Amino acid sequence: QLQLQESGSGLVKPSQTLSLTCAVSGGSIGGGEYSWSWIRQPPEKGLEWIGSISHTGSTYCKPSLKSRVTISVDRSKNQFSLNLSSVTAADTAVYFCARVQVKYSSSEYFDFWGQGTLVTVSS
Amino acid sequence: QSVLTQPPSVSGAPGQRVTISCTGSSSNIGAGYDVHWYQLLPGTAPKLLIYGNTNRPSGVPDRFSGSKSGTSASLAITGLQAEDEADYYCQSYDSSLSVLHVVFGGGTKLTVL
Repeated sequence: QLQLQESGSGLVKPSQTLSLTCAVSGGSIGGGEYSWSWIRQPPEKGLEWIGSISHTGSTYCKPSLKSRVTISVDRSKNQFSLNLSSVTAADTAVYFCARVQVKYSSSEYFDFWGQGTLVTVSS
Repeated sequence: QSVLTQPPSVSGAPGQRVTISCTGSSSNIGAGYDVHWYQLLPGTAPKLLIYGNTNRPSGVPDRFSGSKSGTSASLAITGLQAEDEADYYCQSYDSSLSVLHVVFGGGTKLTVL
């Protein structure tokens, strides 16, 4: 069974860069033509897709976040990462990593998720 | 404000049937993009409930079903159980803003009375 686990700094100062890593176990991140995503949930709000990285290494992001988001994959460590620059209090959220699936569908969906990690932006 | 609109809350007694709607527009559900549903319980990894409008992943009880028509989709839960109390989200693609991107509904809190 595939498992994903987020890790990273739980407290980030405003204007700094938020950095998170998602460790994948129970399967190879490079196995199969999967993409990998980051999704977040601000306190008392709904889910928000941040962006994804495909098996070819290309990235695609929510348009409003595109200028601040960097997503990368480290196949040697079987993990992928998120950097979100110039953070503000509005970036405070639980951040989830997930595997993207496109089988039997005209739109991608997320079949395996991590439990999420809370990141607070505060001075 | 979410691109996909869900009711903030629904409720039902054990054993009853409830439905959760997900209303979109011509740039997402109405454009033919599939809808998927997730269940969120506090402190646990979100769970995929329905993919491709109507399909259940292995392990999801057949009490959960999905449908889609026009610019809307629905999740139905029959034989409501206490363990179904959770937040539910729909998700699809949207082609506005000149780029295809993933969108979620605002979420619906299900209370089992």
